[in-house]
Amino acid sequence: DAGITQSPRHKVTETGTPVTLRCHQTENHRYMYWYRQDPGHGLRLIHYSYGVKDTDKGEVSDGYSVSRSKTEDFLLTLESATSSQTSVYFCAISESSQMNTEAFFGQGTRLTVV
Amino acid sequence: LAKTTQPISMDSYEGQEVNITCSHNNIATNDYITWYQQFPSQGPRFIIQGYKTKVTNEVASLFIPADRKSSTLSLPRVSLSDTAVYYCLVGGSARQLTFGSGTQLTVLP
Repeated sequence: DAGITQSPRHKVTETGTPVTLRCHQTENHRYMYWYRQDPGHGLRLIHYSYGVKDTDKGEVSDGYSVSRSKTEDFLLTLESATSSQTSVYFCAISESSQMNTEAFFGQGTRLTVV
Repeated sequence: LAKTTQPISMDSYEGQEVNITCSHNNIATNDYITWYQQFPSQGPRFIIQGYKTKVTNEVASLFIPADRKSSTLSLPRVSLSDTAVYYCLVGGSARQLTFGSGTQLTVLP
């Protein structure tokens, strides 16, 4: 399996608190992605990164920010968590942005905002 | 982005061949077709990818007709462990890696 570690794996937090999820890779892949998965919606792209300090928004980026200061780490921050952000979050990596490049996914982080 | 349409769910029995068809009528010239598999509580996993005609690997086959407006994922002789959600993705860039709701395949004994 590709070396992708998400932390924490589970988290319960209160509405209004900041939360940071971490994705760490050991593959030295250039591209990293954050998705959320909710029942009936499949996976939706939140943000992605195409290099250190280079990030861009996905389809559901409102309420989320990201940072990538090192190739191996991609952080997803919820500045002020809301109940609508209760979800399972997946990180993914790929070597290039070309569609014929396989993407590898982490095991997910289950976040509950109460 | 090419929109994809696939069945919400399918049931099959162990040992049968399963075919899941995905429609992508507005596929672009540079787009590849990729299928992922997802088990409960796990991230999606790449199964197979193709551009045209037929692709086969140790897990599945992918059939793509000449007009490329649809594709069919074929799983030979499924087992209970093939119960999962299967996603069809179409795009020219992994930045456009867009997942729909997928097809829930349930394999029955």
